[in-house]
Amino acid sequence: DTAVSQTPKYLVTQMGNDKSIKCEQNLGHDTMYWYKQDSKKFLKIMFSYNNKELIINETVPNRFSPKSPDKAHLNLHINSLELGDSAVYFCASSPGTHSWTANIQYFGAGTRLSVL
Amino acid sequence: GDSVTQMEGPVTLSEEAFLTINCTYTATGYPSLFWYVQYPGEGLQLLLKATKADDKGSNKGFEATYRKETTSFHLEKGSVQVSDSAVYFCALTAQGGSEKLVFGKGTKLTVNP
Repeated sequence: DTAVSQTPKYLVTQMGNDKSIKCEQNLGHDTMYWYKQDSKKFLKIMFSYNNKELIINETVPNRFSPKSPDKAHLNLHINSLELGDSAVYFCASSPGTHSWTANIQYFGAGTRLSVL
Repeated sequence: GDSVTQMEGPVTLSEEAFLTINCTYTATGYPSLFWYVQYPGEGLQLLLKATKADDKGSNKGFEATYRKETTSFHLEKGSVQVSDSAVYFCALTAQGGSEKLVFGKGTKLTVNP
């Protein structure tokens, strides 16, 4: 069973469209994250949720809205897509803030978004 | 703010060569330090970690030692294999709270037979 799974793996869409990326983890973790990897492979955090509560929100445009229906899921919705949104988006999860293994993050395989 | 600087790639080596990828960091206190590896077409996997000064993380023949005095966490492997070809990321999480990983820019390693 895949520990952190993202769908879809590839997403090709036109500018101005709205799209969602889904993420699910079956590790029983409390904390989930979204990272963006640009064309030069640079990775930067976007959001983090702990038990469905937003705890990290980096300077990301309002067009990006994460939603966590339960602690096993963290979806990313993007409105009015722009060319600059083209990137690989990674979901990750970690146990939380209460153990020595708290800050090991487990990553999904990524979603490659191409905005045309 | 916290930051990680790692050597620019790409790095190309022959099989069985010695590998060093340099990584230095800027952070207050005692961050936790990590090396993640991204194989082609895949997500990131934790390679090794160290949570306090002088700790040595090791896995799959890779090693890195947390050096507080030089704020470094260099990755080394004595004899690389073709299967080690990947992008390697040095990263940290800040001491005492923030769970976000701050990544270096990644170093692409290609190992030729």
